[in-house]
Amino acid sequence: DGGITQSPKYLFRKEGQNVTLSCEQNLNHDAMYWYRQDPGQGLRLIYYSQIVNDFQKGDIAEGYSVSREKKESFPLTVTSAQKNPTAFYLCASSPHRQGNYGYTFGSGTRLTVV
Amino acid sequence: AQSVSQHNHHVILSEAASLELGCNYSYGGTVNLFWYVQYPGQHLQLLLKYFSGDPLVKGIKGFEAEFIKSKFSFNLRKPSVQWSDTAEYFCAVKINNNDMRFGAGTRLTVKP
Repeated sequence: DGGITQSPKYLFRKEGQNVTLSCEQNLNHDAMYWYRQDPGQGLRLIYYSQIVNDFQKGDIAEGYSVSREKKESFPLTVTSAQKNPTAFYLCASSPHRQGNYGYTFGSGTRLTVV
Repeated sequence: AQSVSQHNHHVILSEAASLELGCNYSYGGTVNLFWYVQYPGQHLQLLLKYFSGDPLVKGIKGFEAEFIKSKFSFNLRKPSVQWSDTAEYFCAVKINNNDMRFGAGTRLTVKP
């Protein structure tokens, strides 16, 4: 079945560490997205990528970095510069960013700073 | 500021009650409208969407939503809820076929 796989499901990070969240899709979608979900705030866009080797900052990109070396993969690194990284992170994809497409979401990674 | 507003943070209903969840947006221009649902422990799934045409759209599991352009609204409805509808519901607006913006979500609890 086609879909988006996020790993790990739960991740614990010590203060000052960088961690990388994995997102893989086998839907042949061009566009991929990273969102952060906090209680009462909905989903906020961190980064998006419309095509391989290209990505753009979203609304809350500070303290995060991404890469898009392959169409299927869009990993997110939460750096030590992110002041409040504890959150639920969602990866999504769509055939293209432009156009009337909805998004397909992964099952998320819950990151906790200890 | 441009935004997507979901007025109810938490709604509690008994089974068989009718449901209406509000969603308003403040964007001009072309909008595509979506409702997503997140069941406990599961990923977000598309419930229904509106792009053009009939402003009353029907989705999965008996849900429907009505786009009222003059009110900038896209409220979600279901005539009779079930315990299995307990979930978090997110309204989303795609602006000018580009940016997708999400509301803060409404948690629905249905009591058996």
